[in-house]
Amino acid sequence: AAGVIQSPRHLIKEKRETATLKCYPIPRHDTVYWYQQGPGQDPQFLISFYEKMQSDKGSIPDRFSAQQFSDYHSELNMSSLELGDSALYFCASSLRQGAYGYTFGSGTRLTVV
Amino acid sequence: GIQVEQSPPDLILQEGANSTLRCNFSDSVNNLQWFHQNPWGQLINLFYIPSGTKQNGRLSATTVATERYSLLYISSSQTTDSGVYFCAQYSGTYKYIFGTGTRLKVLA
Repeated sequence: AAGVIQSPRHLIKEKRETATLKCYPIPRHDTVYWYQQGPGQDPQFLISFYEKMQSDKGSIPDRFSAQQFSDYHSELNMSSLELGDSALYFCASSLRQGAYGYTFGSGTRLTVV
Repeated sequence: GIQVEQSPPDLILQEGANSTLRCNFSDSVNNLQWFHQNPWGQLINLFYIPSGTKQNGRLSATTVATERYSLLYISSSQTTDSGVYFCAQYSGTYKYIFGTGTRLKVLA
């Protein structure tokens, strides 16, 4: 069965650089979510999109932005990267805004040096 | 807001032992999921279980929505069961709120 695809799997950036993470949801899933997981922490919700419109926003820094495109894939853009942005970034997708559960991608491990 | 608490925070088992992980949530549950995060960081769905009991091989889960808790049972544990187990509760704003996790290590 198709899963949630995230790219890249690993990314190393320098401070103040920009990074773009991509997420391709399971076919026919209409909702995409982004989570950030710091070392030793639980995943923290960043932002979600339902039918290409932002549906909810969590603790996402102003330096971060995201969107969902017409083909339902989503991109998380992070600018002016800081050392504290080093984390695992997960994308998840679902039907009907999570009413029947999420499926997560394998994550992107971002390291800011 | 919703609070999800898990216990124990850490657990060390000998291979072959059984264990029970607990998830308490602060609000009425609509949906609840259990995930396993393996040592490589992947988050794997275990159960979607808003109520009742489900089983999948050596794993089973029970949610008692009226008492606001869920249990994950691992029987005959194996070293590949090591990792972090998260429960996550569906909030009213269309997202799941994660608990702090139980870190499990199974020794050979």
